[in-house]
Amino acid sequence: GDSVTQTEGQVALSEEDFLTIHCNYSASGYPALFWYVQYPGEGPQFLFRASRDKEKGSSRGFEATYDKGTTSFHLRKASVQESDSAVYYCALGDNNNAPRFGAGTKLSVKP
Amino acid sequence: EAAVTQSPRSKVAVTGGKVTLSCHQTNNHDYMYWYRQDTGHGLRLIHYSYVADSTEKGDIPDGYKASRPSQENFSLILELASLSQTAVYFCASSLGDYAEQFFGPGTRLTVL
Repeated sequence: GDSVTQTEGQVALSEEDFLTIHCNYSASGYPALFWYVQYPGEGPQFLFRASRDKEKGSSRGFEATYDKGTTSFHLRKASVQESDSAVYYCALGDNNNAPRFGAGTKLSVKP
Repeated sequence: EAAVTQSPRSKVAVTGGKVTLSCHQTNNHDYMYWYRQDTGHGLRLIHYSYVADSTEKGDIPDGYKASRPSQENFSLILELASLSQTAVYFCASSLGDYAEQFFGPGTRLTVL
């Protein structure tokens, strides 16, 4: 079945550092890929989506590019801020299949 | 703006008791989902629904039932609550498989 793998369980950075959170997927079809962010005490929020190969999704300075060849959708941000501290989830949606979320990556940014 | 609401926001239940968690969306979405999140862990899909009066089993359906009486409402039912079901439960809605999900604020359930 479909699956999503996030390599990093936790990432600790300082403000203005470059962020990469790795996301790889496995799907039988041609899925849509998503990034969500969850702040403490809240439900996950949609960040952005990409639905075809080489498409870049972006929001709030975060971006990721759909790469069908490497089955990846890595989240990047050039300069993180303390307010970016949260848990980030990669997810996929595929036709007639249940949605799949990665295990999440907790980002901690110190000032 | 799209809205998913959950009730109650917090609940303490006794082992063996019946618990019903409710979710209401005003997004006009056909798809709805129930997830559980354990402290420090990710989201696990319990049940979902593509259309009113129909539900599907997710990855961890054991011990849970779901009910979708209308497009707007989706309930999660624990007939015999157990300690292991202590968790935060999130409801979500979406337009479809390729669309983003809108999550509710969550219900914190404690089973004693």
